[in-house]
Formats: sequence, C-alpha cells, structure tokens
Amino acid sequence: KQEVTQIPAALSVPEGENLVLNCSFTDSAIYNLQWFRQDPGKGLTSLLLIQSSQREQTSGRLNASLDKSSGRSTLYIAASQPGDSATYLCAVDTGNQFYFGTGTSLTVIP
Amino acid sequence: GAVVSQHPSWVICKSGTSVKIECRSLDFQATTMFWYRQFPKQSLMLMATSNEGSKATYEQGVEKDKFLINHASLTLSTLTVTSAHPEDSSFYICSARPGLAFETQYFGPGTRLLVL
Repeated sequence: KQEVTQIPAALSVPEGENLVLNCSFTDSAIYNLQWFRQDPGKGLTSLLLIQSSQREQTSGRLNASLDKSSGRSTLYIAASQPGDSATYLCAVDTGNQFYFGTGTSLTVIP
Repeated sequence: GAVVSQHPSWVICKSGTSVKIECRSLDFQATTMFWYRQFPKQSLMLMATSNEGSKATYEQGVEKDKFLINHASLTLSTLTVTSAHPEDSSFYICSARPGLAFETQYFGPGTRLLVL
C-alpha cells in the first residue's frame, strides 16, 4: 500500500526566506504527484501537478520536483511571504486513488 | 478549468439525524467521484470511490450502511451520513475525475459537519 510522508510536520521561517518542503512515497508506480495548499478550515487549492514523466514544474515563486525512482518530491518556495502561511499537502495519484501526505504546517513570520 | 462544488458548505445537526452532502462537477462529466474525510490537524483519508451507475467501493473501516453514497449521474454524487453522531463531525471533501485513470482529480471546497 502506498504511504506518503511529509517532512517537516511544521516549519516557521522569517519573511523573505527560501524554503523546501519534502514529500516521500513508498511505491513509485504513480501517474502524477500534486502539491496542495490548505488554509485553516478551508478546502484544497492545487498548486502544482507533476506528471510521472516530468521532473519539475514551476509556478511563480513555487517550484516542485519529482524523482519517481527514489520516491521523493520537493516543493521549493522562494522569497516566502506571510500570505504563504498554510498547510501544504502532497498527494500521489496511483490511478485508482489519491494518497495524501500528513502535511507540513508553514508559518511565515513578518 | 474544471470546477467541483459541494453543498452545503456548513451543516450543524442534532445527533441521530441524517445529513446529505452533494458534490457536483460543474463543467465536466465525472465518471468517478471520491469522498474524503479530514479530522482536525490530520490529512485527508479516502472514504469511498464511486462510479456512475454502480455501487461505491468503501475503504476498510468505513461503514457503508452509515455513509451512503449515490452517484446517480455523471455530474452528481451524494454522501448521506445516516444517524449522525458527534464522532462523525468532520470535514468532508469530494473530488471528481473526468474520465481516464491518468487524469487528475478536481477537489470540491469541502463541507464541515458538526453533530451536536
């Protein structure tokens, strides 16, 4: 069974810092991997989708990489802002279902 | 882009009553819809997968008689929490897949259920 783990569970950084969130998964047989943002009490906002054949995707200050063979993905956030404070979830899509990670709670201090 | 809606966004009910949550794909046909549950400070856990016109497939530990799922059309799936109890209070999120297995899922905004 696919297991998805995110490290760290919580992260607090001063505004302006670059940061990296990590996601690892146990089974490399995936269709794609997706990073989401979730604000408290809210639903999911899709940030980046990486197909299994891709190595990375970029959107603005966000860059996500995927190393399927090693079962790892990273989300890089450049020049962090207080508005980036949220929980970040990664999820792998096996074709049958999504498996979500445990999330990283990010706080960006002004 | 693909949009999935959920109704209601908030529901408060008394213990013992039943609550229905709707999930609609607004601009695409969803052959498969998924229902997730999220408890506070935890990640999303898949409850069940439903395909239009057939019975839902429930994950281990999810009571199918308590969480009734109906996927009557290609744009609508409903989750009914029967005889709700306080421990059913949670955030319920649905997602919909347009068609083929390699296509991604699109998530609804979620429904927060509070059972008193």
